[in-house]
This record gives sequence, C-alpha cells and structure tokens, in this order.
Amino acid sequence: TQLLEQSPQFLSIQEGENLTVYCNSSSVFSSLQWYRQEPGEGPVLLVTVVTGGEVKKLKRLTFQFGDARKDSSLHITAAQPGDTGLYLCAGAGGTSYGKLTFGQGTILTVHP
Amino acid sequence: NAGVMQNPRHLVRRRGQEARLRCSPMKGHSHVYWYRQLPEEGLKFMVYLQKENIIDESGMPKERFSAEFPKEGPSILRIQQVVRGDSAAYFCASSPPGIQTDTQYFGPGTRLTVL
Repeated sequence: TQLLEQSPQFLSIQEGENLTVYCNSSSVFSSLQWYRQEPGEGPVLLVTVVTGGEVKKLKRLTFQFGDARKDSSLHITAAQPGDTGLYLCAGAGGTSYGKLTFGQGTILTVHP
Repeated sequence: NAGVMQNPRHLVRRRGQEARLRCSPMKGHSHVYWYRQLPEEGLKFMVYLQKENIIDESGMPKERFSAEFPKEGPSILRIQQVVRGDSAAYFCASSPPGIQTDTQYFGPGTRLTVL
C-alpha cells in the first residue's frame, strides 16, 4: 500500500511570512500533484511534477519533486490571506496505475 | 470550456434508501475516477473507469456500492441501502485519453448526508 505523509497538518502564519509544506513517502511515484481545496468545493490542480529533482514555480509558489521521486515540497513566499485553504499532495503511478494516493492535507491560515 | 460536472451537489437520504451520484467528465476526457472524502479524513480512491469498463475498483466497498461509465451519458456511482457511515463528500475526477492518467481534474463534489 502506498502512503503519503503530509506535514504539517495545520499551519497558521501572518501575512508576509514564508512557509513550506512537505509530502513524504517510502514509495516511488511516477508523478506528484499538488491541489488546493476550498470549503465545499473540489480540489483544484495547482501543478504536476514528473521528473526527479524537478522544480516548478507558480507565482509565489515553488514546487519541488525529490530526486528519488518519493517526496515533494510546496514553498510559499510572502503568504497572503488569499492563500488560506487546504493544500493536498497526491502521488500517482507505481503499482497503482490511474489511482491517486492523497496525503492528509495541510490547512493553511494566513492572518492579515 | 466546462470542467468536470457533478450532480446533485447535495443529497439527503434516509437509511436504507438508494443514492445515485452523477459525473460528467471534461470534454474529451475518457477516464473517470471516484474518490470519497470522509469528515476529518483525506481523499480516498474508490474506482477508476473508462467508457464501458471498470479498470480498478480496489477502493470500492464490496457490498452496496457500484459504478458505471456507459458509452453514452454520465458516470454513475450508486450506493444501495445507505447507512449513516456513507455520509461523505464524493468527488469525481477525469483525465484525457492516452497513457497520461496522472493529472486528474476534479469536480465540485456531491455531499451525501444520510439521516
């Protein structure tokens, strides 16, 4: 069974601070997705990382896929209240073709 | 450019009734996935379907749950004789044809409440 450990579970910071969310596994994934979910809505795809060591930037968000494709991180620079939400990582591939394995999620609150 | 559509958005059923959840994938997408999000838990995979075929149903409870994706029309997740433990948000996702099934786009979900 593939598992993804996501940390921290909760993060409460002030506007302007930086933060990093981690996603770790003992399994190798063919790719890893990061999603953001608002209350009452479905997850919205932020990025897909595929290659070990890959780094992708989306404005103030930086996503990294570990060299061994077992872990990933999401770094937000100068967080804003609009960044508040639930962030989810999801791994794909390996022995579970077509199926995403989700982490438990990180609830981020950015205070003005 | 419609995304994944799910209906109803909210569904209330009494114990023992049937629940039918519908999902229309994004235009051009032929892979459909169903996930369940229980209160205070993460998203859990249930089933992966292509048109007229169930590819992987390893996450689906063996009893009372079934899914289909017919040649025409939406994908249906059917829960028979619902129990209170079935109360959850059910999400459908879709991906385009081909080998790249990793990137999945999610619908807004159906929130099922069993009284």
